[in-house]
Order: sequence, then C-alpha cells, then structure tokens
Amino acid sequence: QVQLVESGGGVVQPGRSLRLSCAASGFIFGSYGMHWVRQAPGKGLEWVAIIWHDGSNTNYGDSVKGRFTISRDNSKKTLYLQMNSLRVEDTAVYYCAREYSSSVGRTFDYWGQGTLVTVSS
Amino acid sequence: EIVMTQSPATLSVSPGERATLSCRASQSVSSNLAWYQQPPGQAPRLLIYGASTRATGIPARFSGSGSGTEFTLTISSLQSEDFAVYYCQQYNNWPSSITFGQGTRLEIK
Repeated sequence: QVQLVESGGGVVQPGRSLRLSCAASGFIFGSYGMHWVRQAPGKGLEWVAIIWHDGSNTNYGDSVKGRFTISRDNSKKTLYLQMNSLRVEDTAVYYCAREYSSSVGRTFDYWGQGTLVTVSS
Repeated sequence: EIVMTQSPATLSVSPGERATLSCRASQSVSSNLAWYQQPPGQAPRLLIYGASTRATGIPARFSGSGSGTEFTLTISSLQSEDFAVYYCQQYNNWPSSITFGQGTRLEIK
C-alpha cells in the first residue's frame, strides 16, 4: 500500500534553516510528481511546492518562493524540503502528497501524516 | 490568485440526514476542482476530483457537482465517520495556481 512518512520537523528560531524528508513506499516513486502542502495550527491548507517526477522542474507558492527548495532522490524514494530564512508564519504541519494525474485533471491522491515545524524564538 | 470561498463555515447535521457544502471560485476554474475530507488530527483524504469523479474507495453517498465558479459537495446520508472538515481545491492552472478553500466544519447536530 502507498505510504508517505514525513520527518525532520521540530522547533527552530526565526531566520534559521530546517530540512524535511518524506519517505515513500508502495508505489513507483520516480513515476509521480510530488508536493508539499502545509497547514498552520487551526487553519486551512496551503500548497507549498511541486517537483516533477524526474526532478526536472519545480514550482513554489508565493509565500515560500526564494526561501524553500524542493528536491527528490528517486533512488532513495525520498522527497525533501529545504527551508531557509524561516519565519514565525511558517509554523505549520507540513504534509507531503503524491500527485494524481488523470483525464479530468491533477490532484493529490495520497498524503503523509505530516510533520510539525514550529518557528519561535 | 484564484480565491476559493466555502460556505457555510460550520454545518450542523444529524446522522442519516443529507449535507450540502458549497464552494465558490473567484474566477472560472472549469471542472478543475477537488474535495478533501480531514478528520480531526488526521491528514486530508481525496474524495472528489474533476468536480464530480469519486476517488478510489470513496462511498457512493459522496457526490460532487458544478463547474465554472460554483460547486457543491453532497453527502446523502451522514455516517458518524463523515463528521470532519471539508476543503475544496482548484487546480485550474496546474501547478502555478493551486489554492484551497478555508474549509467547512461538518458537525453532529
């Protein structure tokens, strides 16, 4: 069965860096685009970033552009999110999600359980 | 940015009854809309994509409709496990524009 397991969250001071990982299993990781989506405490969902199945292209939400970098290692079946210059407003649960592509569009069909990032002094 | 607005913010419904949740887009997203369910403390789960196509394993009591700017998620006969927060999401200009609604909390009446 498809599994996505995030790790790397924790408490970090503003301005510092953190790297999240998402270990995938149960599917051919290198065949799927992957995303990061976050959710601030008690708030809704915010899309963060996408990486193409082969790592050839990436895209970011406006709030993280220039600070976060998404990457992947298909040989290790692992997705990453390098977060630099962290801000208090980056505090959230970070989910990795698999992209599902069909004739009626693309969306997120599997999600991990999330890892909490808290940015605080 | 396309803004998605869900209504109502909270919906109170009795088990066995029908629930109707709405989602409005600030501009047309065609049928590029999905619905997710998020139980308390859990990750979101895909319910509907393409505005009306049920995802794998989703019960038939969940149905989606609409196109353009107005969308509806209907749950025909509420079960206890259906009480959760529901989000709509547009993906009209994938991947440069992916936005979610603020959510509707479906609670037991």
